[in-house]
Amino acid sequence: AQKVTQAQTEISVVEKEDVTLDCVYETRDTTYYLFWYKQPPSGELVFLIRRNSFDEQNEISGRYSWNFQKSTSSFNFTITASQVVDSAVYFCALSENAYGNNRLAFGKGNQVVVIP
Amino acid sequence: DTGVSQDPRHKITKRGQNVTFRCDPISEHNRLYWYRQTLGQGPEFLTYFQNEAQLEKSRLLSDRFSAERPKGSFSTLEIQRTEQGDSAMYLCASSRDVYTGETQYFGPGTRLLVL
Repeated sequence: AQKVTQAQTEISVVEKEDVTLDCVYETRDTTYYLFWYKQPPSGELVFLIRRNSFDEQNEISGRYSWNFQKSTSSFNFTITASQVVDSAVYFCALSENAYGNNRLAFGKGNQVVVIP
Repeated sequence: DTGVSQDPRHKITKRGQNVTFRCDPISEHNRLYWYRQTLGQGPEFLTYFQNEAQLEKSRLLSDRFSAERPKGSFSTLEIQRTEQGDSAMYLCASSRDVYTGETQYFGPGTRLLVL
């Protein structure tokens, strides 16, 4: 069963628009960690944000913000005032404490295309 | 801080040949992970090391795959008798081993094409 679901496959926005990426996860652990990574065309996965299951406080970091809601098992990510350099595939990932190895389970990714 | 590096970045091989990839983690990171990513999918866990010990292998890692991390520094991933289905991006990541849920930092990947 898919542990991380990212429903939208490709999202196109015009530059300066906001874009929100949805992530729904599934776990039985009470302690877990959620991540967002960015994969530009070069292929390298770039770490963006990390959240643990005990901290539902939503934050803003520059143009990035996230909305973590345990009640709905969602960890959504927003890019404000998008730029062409934001064009990439964005992955949501889950690390469950039960495994002890911190392996990441990734969603299928959201392809974001920012049109100038 | 030097990031995770991988070599080679691209590899084209013929079916049946053996290939070996190298990963150099961030120097103070004890944990090292290998993932495989096929087109249009997210990365999938293959195996991980804590220092030199290989502690877990995914079912995705068939007998043709072997990974090592001698002396707990760099790691190699070897694929023997490659098949066309092995064509993928192979990603290496490293992390500290201080807390659970430590952030994994990824290398640029090795893109393998088996003809």
